[in-house]
Amino acid sequence: KQEVTQIPAALSVPEGENLVLNCSFTDSAIYNLQWFRQDPGKGLTSLLLIQSSQREQTSGRLNASLDKSSGRSTLYIAASQPGDSATYLCAVKLGKAAGNKLTFGGGTRVLVKP
Amino acid sequence: NAGVMQNPRHLVRRRGQEARLRCSPVKGHSHVYWYRQLPEEGLKFMVYLQKENIIDESGMPKERFSAEFPKEGPSILRIQQVVRGDSAAYFCASSPSRQGGLDGYTFGSGTRLTVV
Repeated sequence: KQEVTQIPAALSVPEGENLVLNCSFTDSAIYNLQWFRQDPGKGLTSLLLIQSSQREQTSGRLNASLDKSSGRSTLYIAASQPGDSATYLCAVKLGKAAGNKLTFGGGTRVLVKP
Repeated sequence: NAGVMQNPRHLVRRRGQEARLRCSPVKGHSHVYWYRQLPEEGLKFMVYLQKENIIDESGMPKERFSAEFPKEGPSILRIQQVVRGDSAAYFCASSPSRQGGLDGYTFGSGTRLTVV
């Protein structure tokens, strides 16, 4: 059974500092991994999707890496801003034979202080 | 492209009533998924549907919960005889293909169910 863990559960940084969010998963036979952002009381916004054959994806200030063999992904957010305050979720999708569902981590709650 | 539309955004039901949650997927997406987020917990998979078919309902409680995705119209998640423990945010997601497509899954804003 796939388990996804995100550490730390909460993170508070001053504005301008780089953010490093960690996601680990127990079953390395993943199909892809997706990072989401969730604002309080709101839905999920997709940030980056990394296919199992990829090592990283970048979008603006965001960079996500994937190391399947060690069961880890890291989301880097450069030069954080107060608007980056939110909960960040990672979700993995196992291969075709395992079904079509995403398994989510518990999230990292980020606060960027001005 | 309006994205995944869920309604209502907030729903209050008394214990024993029925709750009906609606989800219209992204135009052109034929795969729909429902997830539940209990207070202070992560999102948990409930059910995966394609048009007129339930593909995987392994995450759905065996009693009181049902889901459908008819040929025409939105997907519906129905909870009968609601109890306080059903209070949660229910999220719907859609994708253009079984494997999620190039952009992965698109989520709606959720329906927040409160049972009083």
